[in-house]
Amino acid sequence: GDSVTQMEGPVTLSEEAFLTINCTYTATGYPSLFWYVQYPGEGLQLLLKATKADDKGSNKGFEATYRKETTSFHLEKGSVQVSDSAVYFCALRHPPNAGKSTFGDGTTLTVKP
Amino acid sequence: SQTIHQWPATLVQPVGSPLSLECTVEGTSNPNLYWYRQAAGRGLQLLFYSVGIGQISSEVPQNLSASRPQDRQFILSSKKLLLSDSGFYLCAWSLDSGANVLTFGAGSRLTVL
Repeated sequence: GDSVTQMEGPVTLSEEAFLTINCTYTATGYPSLFWYVQYPGEGLQLLLKATKADDKGSNKGFEATYRKETTSFHLEKGSVQVSDSAVYFCALRHPPNAGKSTFGDGTTLTVKP
Repeated sequence: SQTIHQWPATLVQPVGSPLSLECTVEGTSNPNLYWYRQAAGRGLQLLFYSVGIGQISSEVPQNLSASRPQDRQFILSSKKLLLSDSGFYLCAWSLDSGANVLTFGAGSRLTVL
């Protein structure tokens, strides 16, 4: 079945540092890929998505590129801020599964001033 | 615009007591609806999903049940709570499948004592 493997956390960075959170997936066919973010005490919200190979999703300075050859969708940001502290989830969605999404375990990011 | 409401936000219940968590979606028709559970420090586990009124699919055997009495209402229930039912419960909706994103509610934190 489908699966998503995320870089284990927690990740602690200083403000303005470069961020990479690795995500790889296993799925047949051509899933859509997503990054969701969860701020403390809240539900998840979409950060960015990509629907086909070589697509780049971007939002709020975050980027991720759909790499089918390496089955990866790594999240990057050039300069993190304290307000980026949150839990980040990589996910895929596969139409044959009735729209069900498969999530990674989440990576906790803490940015210190 | 579409909104999703989930309540109660916080719940403390004794072992063996019943449970009812409610979720409603506004501003859309015939959404796919989902219940996820997030245990402390863990990823998301899909519990139930529904593609229409009265249509419920269970992902894992457990002490919980779900119902969809109306198009935009999704209820998570239990007759007798267990300690292991503690967690953060998230309702979500999406339109159909494929690249459509999940939109999450704010979550309900359940503590079973």
